[in-house]
Amino acid sequence: GESVGLHLPTLSVQEGDNSIINCAYSNSASDYFIWYKQESGKGPQFIIDIRSNMDKRQGQRVTVLLNKTVKHLSLQIAATQPGDSAVYFCAEMARGGSYIPTFGRGTSLIVHP
Amino acid sequence: EAGVTQSPTHLIKTRGQQATLRCSPISGHTSVYWYQQALGLGLQFLLWYDEGEERNRGNFPPRFSGRQFPNYSSELNVNALELEDSALYLCASSLWDRGKETQYFGPGTRLLVL
Repeated sequence: GESVGLHLPTLSVQEGDNSIINCAYSNSASDYFIWYKQESGKGPQFIIDIRSNMDKRQGQRVTVLLNKTVKHLSLQIAATQPGDSAVYFCAEMARGGSYIPTFGRGTSLIVHP
Repeated sequence: EAGVTQSPTHLIKTRGQQATLRCSPISGHTSVYWYQQALGLGLQFLLWYDEGEERNRGNFPPRFSGRQFPNYSSELNVNALELEDSALYLCASSLWDRGKETQYFGPGTRLLVL
């Protein structure tokens, strides 16, 4: 089946820097995308989502960008803090499909104080 | 508002035994999803229940089964446990919201099979 993947398995940044986590997806029918954050020993936590009729959505310190032309999704975290250290997953869903999200493997973000 | 809860937090079993994991969704959510997260791997979809019915099933053997109760809580049963079943089992519940579904996860049950 089609899958969602991540370009960088590990990203190390300094506190205060901006972080960018990337995700490629291959299912052109996907129309809903979600970013999750998973801290060690915890379940994934919803961060932000975006529908395919948008190319950008902003939250608190986070921005998700969607480029449907190249099937690419990114999560930008502004002024990264040590508490942002976690594994970040992207997920895709296709409306009219099974409504089962397909998750990427995850990117580990390490923030150095 | 209480989030998704799961029990137990940890479970240790031996090969061949059976395990039962439980999940309570967020109040008002009717869909419950189960995922397996093995060490170093992404989330693998197991089962989806909605309104008491099994709606979809991932690529797992029949010894992985479950059910959803009238109060929308759910159980995941794993029979004839194998060593490779050791993983974090995550439950998520969802709310249908304007044509999109956002899944909210519980903390997981860590299953260790010896």
